[in-house]
Amino acid sequence: DGGITQSPKYLFRKEGQNVTLSCEQNLNHDAMYWYRQDPGQGLRLIYYSQIVNDFQKGDIAEGYSVSREKKESFPLTVTSAQKNPTAFYLCASSIDEASSYEQYFGPGTRLTVT
Amino acid sequence: QKEVEQNSGPLSVPEGAIASLNCTYSDRGSQSFFWYRQYSGKSPELIMFIYSNGDKEDGRFTAQLNKASQYVSLLIRDSQPSDSATYLCAVNVPGGGYQKVTFGIGTKLQVIP
Repeated sequence: DGGITQSPKYLFRKEGQNVTLSCEQNLNHDAMYWYRQDPGQGLRLIYYSQIVNDFQKGDIAEGYSVSREKKESFPLTVTSAQKNPTAFYLCASSIDEASSYEQYFGPGTRLTVT
Repeated sequence: QKEVEQNSGPLSVPEGAIASLNCTYSDRGSQSFFWYRQYSGKSPELIMFIYSNGDKEDGRFTAQLNKASQYVSLLIRDSQPSDSATYLCAVNVPGGGYQKVTFGIGTKLQVIP
């Protein structure tokens, strides 16, 4: 099956701990994205990557880090510097950044930090 | 002013009626417009996109775009309870080597049997 997978579906962490969210795609897409979704707000872009070994900050990158060592993988680390990490995190991909409008989303990871 | 504005709802319509979802955007350079459907607790799914002024129909869905008024809408005919979801409007603004997609907060639709 082709698609985007995110794991785990639910994640619980204590405040002050770093946590890494997984995102894998087998669609052979070049571009990948991380968004967070909070109640009453639209999706907000955290980071995006157009090609392997390259990534750019989105609108709310502070407190987050990413890597893109492989085309199919784009993990997101939520660091202890992120002030409000509890949210629904969505990973997406598209064929290339020029067609970024056709983004396909993974199932999401719901992170709760207490 | 928010870049993409939607009424959060909920919008309640009876089964079989037409649901009309609306969205306005602020950047006149916007070129592509999208509607995503998001069921509760799930991820968004792209259901429609439109680039030119006018209407675009796909099954029970019609997207309407008016660039002069900076307005895009989604009509759902013969609404079904399974259409109950949050509908996200997204707008694509080109430039700088990366075409940014900005999402609205979404309108929650409730179809009443």
